[in-house]
Amino acid sequence: GQQVQQSPASLVLQEGENAELQCNFSSTATRLQWFYQHPGGRLVSLFYNPSGTKHTGRLTSTTVTNERRGSLHISSSQTTDSGTYFCAIKGGQKLVFGQGTILKVYL
Amino acid sequence: NAGVIQTPRHKVTGKGQEATLWCEPISGHSAVFWYRQTIVQGLEFLTYFRNQAPIDDSGMPKERFSAQMPNQSHSTLKIQSTQPQDSAVYLCASSFATDYAEQFFGPGTRLTVL
Repeated sequence: GQQVQQSPASLVLQEGENAELQCNFSSTATRLQWFYQHPGGRLVSLFYNPSGTKHTGRLTSTTVTNERRGSLHISSSQTTDSGTYFCAIKGGQKLVFGQGTILKVYL
Repeated sequence: NAGVIQTPRHKVTGKGQEATLWCEPISGHSAVFWYRQTIVQGLEFLTYFRNQAPIDDSGMPKERFSAQMPNQSHSTLKIQSTQPQDSAVYLCASSFATDYAEQFFGPGTRLTVL
């Protein structure tokens, strides 16, 4: 079946630093979605990005479908960015998730 | 728009008891999904409805688990004879039923089986 690999597994940053989260997937016929989850919180959709680059505030999502990879860039990180970031690919209708990247931002 | 609603938020059952979890999708969304989240397995797909019809239940355990969507405004996930390994957060999501539709998730139901 389809597989999704995220890296790094965890990341610790000082506030103000940038973060780059990677997502690699097994098929080119996929549509990529990024989610954020605060501990104990719901999955919040950040980007639905089948291909190309999208920006929202300090977040940038880039998907290169033919290379089977995506990335999420967080600029000028803040302590409120702490949590787990998941990428997921849409195979058919269902989502297949990576294991997530745990981000911790400290002052 | 209240988003996807799930009830209860927390449920504790004894081993062997039944658990029923409820989901109300976003109004106008005709695709409803159930996922399960655990520390060990991560996020796993369970089942999917489109226009209330079951389309894909490939992630559902073959025994004890069942899901229904009796009308467009709610879906239920029922677990019979719950076991400790069923403890997880059960997530419901909804979307428009198109290939490029984004999925939106509810807050989840945390099921604890003692």
